[in-house]
Amino acid sequence: SAVISQKPSRDICQRGTSLTIQCQVDSQVTMMFWYRQQPGQSLTLIATANQGSEATYESGFVIDKFPISRPNLTFSTLTVSNLSPEDSSIYLCSVERLAGSGEQYFGPGTRLTVT
Amino acid sequence: GEDVEQSLFLSVREGDSSVINCTYTDSSSTYLYWYKQEPGAGLQLLTYIFSNMDMKQDQRLTVLLNKKDKHLSLRIADTQTGDSAIYFCAEKASGSARQLTFGSGTQLTVLP
Repeated sequence: SAVISQKPSRDICQRGTSLTIQCQVDSQVTMMFWYRQQPGQSLTLIATANQGSEATYESGFVIDKFPISRPNLTFSTLTVSNLSPEDSSIYLCSVERLAGSGEQYFGPGTRLTVT
Repeated sequence: GEDVEQSLFLSVREGDSSVINCTYTDSSSTYLYWYKQEPGAGLQLLTYIFSNMDMKQDQRLTVLLNKKDKHLSLRIADTQTGDSAIYFCAEKASGSARQLTFGSGTQLTVLP
């Protein structure tokens, strides 16, 4: 399995500000993803974090709102910019250790509340 | 596009078996997953099955896949109060897409 940590675990932010979430994995992984889980909902993929290149965003998510970095094979950040109450969600990092292996793990999540 | 459906709630008595069902629409699914989410926690990968398999057993967990009917189930034997959680079914399509498509989750409540 993969051990994934996220920082912060939770935060309360004011509207208009930004929050950067860090995801650290205990070993090198090929694929890293960022998901959002809105209150009482299922999970939706925001983007695939690509090492050394721009992230690949899903429909409805844009780089200006959700900039992502992935400087190496064990670390990624997601920034949620210009926060509004609608951004209140749990943000989860996910990894697939080897592409095509099927084993996909999730971090503990970051619970964001925007006031 | 892909769609994954689950019933929202299931209640069972402690010691009984639980069966959580899931249907999906994408016939090109390569892997199907069951994740567990406890209150305030992230997702725990319980088990997953490759699409060319029809059954996988791991201790108290049994996964059954009916590819013809696009139906996946998770059976938990001897259900305990610690099994109370939300269970998410997810599928991964073939091709270059790496995303998982999740169901809405089934809230399992284990009654004493």
